[in-house]
Amino acid sequence: QKEVEQDPGPLSVPEGAIVSLNCTYSNSAFQYFMWYRQYSRKGPELLMYTYSSGNKEDGRFTAQVDKSSKYISLFIRDSQPSDSATYLCAMSFDNYGQNFVFGPGTRLSVLP
Amino acid sequence: NAGVTQTPKFQVLKTGQSMTLQCAQDMNHNSMYWYRQDPGMGLRLIYYSASEGTTDKGEVPNGYNVSRLNKREFSLRLESAAPSQTSVYFCASQSGTGNQPQHFGDGTRLSIL
Repeated sequence: QKEVEQDPGPLSVPEGAIVSLNCTYSNSAFQYFMWYRQYSRKGPELLMYTYSSGNKEDGRFTAQVDKSSKYISLFIRDSQPSDSATYLCAMSFDNYGQNFVFGPGTRLSVLP
Repeated sequence: NAGVTQTPKFQVLKTGQSMTLQCAQDMNHNSMYWYRQDPGMGLRLIYYSASEGTTDKGEVPNGYNVSRLNKREFSLRLESAAPSQTSVYFCASQSGTGNQPQHFGDGTRLSIL
């Protein structure tokens, strides 16, 4: 079993849809949870960062962490074609890079 | 505001050739990292440097060497390239204090024939 699993996609949705992206993990020690967005031929850029369980909202994006279920989600409201990218979840237990674990990514296409 | 800059952007090598990938950051970050990204595998850590003058192995260090030249620059060297090293290589930097995120460059696409 991989340490972090993520729906591989690809996922295609119409413009304006609500998108749900999910990751599951096995290491209960993880405390820091991140979502990165990666456009084609670009590096990952940080979208959301949360510590421990709970929700965090930033504009059209909401990150949700359920540590009891070892499950994290990213919701995108009113999705736009510009949201078309690969989304990577990442997590760590002390926020230092050597202990980061990344999911394989979900490719999202938002169709106009 | 350049952030993390990687050179070259693309490279094709023959098996057995050597090359150095360059990375520089202008954010005064202490920590720097080298990852490789392969389809379905996610980002895997090759080497990292927690501060100037220190380097440590990550998950997949075999076949690579690194140099933390100064606080700004962190290079990755392939001494004898193999086809299994065909990948996209990303450099990242991090402030290294508290709950700070990693910042990534745009990658080097490397093909080994």
